[in-house]
Amino acid sequence: AAGVIQSPRHLIKEKRETATLKCYPIPRHDTVYWYQQGPGQDPQFLISFYEKMQSDKGSIPDRFSAQQFSDYHSELNMSSLELGDSALYFCASSLLGLASTTSTDTQYFGPGTRLTVL
Amino acid sequence: AQSVTQLGSHVSVSEGALVLLRCNYSSSVPPYLFWYVQYPNQGLQLLLKYTSAATLVKGINGFEAEFKKSETSFHLTKPSAHMSDAAEYFCAVSDLGASKIIFGSGTRLSIRP
Repeated sequence: AAGVIQSPRHLIKEKRETATLKCYPIPRHDTVYWYQQGPGQDPQFLISFYEKMQSDKGSIPDRFSAQQFSDYHSELNMSSLELGDSALYFCASSLLGLASTTSTDTQYFGPGTRLTVL
Repeated sequence: AQSVTQLGSHVSVSEGALVLLRCNYSSSVPPYLFWYVQYPNQGLQLLLKYTSAATLVKGINGFEAEFKKSETSFHLTKPSAHMSDAAEYFCAVSDLGASKIIFGSGTRLSIRP
């Protein structure tokens, strides 16, 4: 079965540079979530989108922005990178299907993008 | 606000022994509860999920968890540990409707030969 795809898998950037992480949800899933997992930490929710609209917002820095496109893929844009942004960034997708009877409500996670800021 | 507390950041058991990873939740409404597993340098894999359909939830790889409202607990168990079970385990909670998931701090499970 198809899973959540994230690209790139690894990314190395310098301080103050920008980075763009991409997430391709499971086909027909309508909701995308972004999480950040620092070294030795639990994943922290950043932001989510349902049907291309922001649905919830967590502890996402103002330097970060995200959007969901018409094909449901999502991008997380990170600017003015800091050393503390080094982390594993997960994307998850689910089928809320509020207009459907097939909602699963389960979030399926991608393999993550490991961002290293030097 | 919802939260989960995992008791024990590191648990070590012998191969073949019972695995018990503890999780207590705090929620003002019936929550969704999850256990995820993370192998080294890998993503998060859903082990099992509680959605109020049944208090005993069976998951993959022989794991199961029991929802106990009176104890606000959702402990993860496996009767016989295998070396391949060594990983980080996260208990998590969310509201109905699949909003953001709130993770516990994780428990690292080690298996002794």
